[in-house]
Amino acid sequence: EVQLVQSGAEVKKSGESLKISCKGSGYIFTSNWIGWVRQMPGKGLEWMGIIFPADSDTIYSPSFQGQVTISADKSLSTAYLQWTRLRASDTAIYYCARRAATGLDSWGQGTLVTVSS
Amino acid sequence: QSVLTQPPSVSGAPGQRVTISCTGSSSNIGAGYNVHWYQQLPGTAPKLLIYANSNRPSGVPDRFSGSKSGTSASLAITGLQAEDEADYYCQSYDSSLSGLEIFGGGTKLTVL
Repeated sequence: EVQLVQSGAEVKKSGESLKISCKGSGYIFTSNWIGWVRQMPGKGLEWMGIIFPADSDTIYSPSFQGQVTISADKSLSTAYLQWTRLRASDTAIYYCARRAATGLDSWGQGTLVTVSS
Repeated sequence: QSVLTQPPSVSGAPGQRVTISCTGSSSNIGAGYNVHWYQQLPGTAPKLLIYANSNRPSGVPDRFSGSKSGTSASLAITGLQAEDEADYYCQSYDSSLSGLEIFGGGTKLTVL
């Protein structure tokens, strides 16, 4: 069974750094792109970017370019989403999802990031 | 403002049929890219509901169906049930964004 398991909820202060993770199992991790999606409180889904773990080729949504860093460690079957300086406006649930030809066919459970000012 | 436009809300009584539209443009749906639909139940992660315009993953009831025409796509739900109350999102790709995924703004389905 394909599974994406994300790291737990985080509470941070503005200006702090953060790295959250998404560990894949049940499939060959290097075979599929992994995307990150933001959902701000009470809002819709926003595409942040995507990475191909086999070679770490990464594409960012223009809205998130320069704001976050997406990376992956194929030896750990894990993708990451990282901030160097968090802002209160980064408060959201962040989902990772596996991209297949059939769409985003498997999703992580989400990581709630709360940033206080 | 999402690149794909969905109605913010739809509603229907149990047993009825509802449709949710997803309107794009010539750089996404109209360019021939597939449309996928996701269901997000309250407090949970999104789940793939329809892929490649009109296909259902294993386990999705046949009450859910999808279609695509021109620059738009639609999700239809027949025999509405209380458990269908959720947010629904369409998703496609856009050639003006280097083929990145794009989402619709989401539609809240209320079962009356």
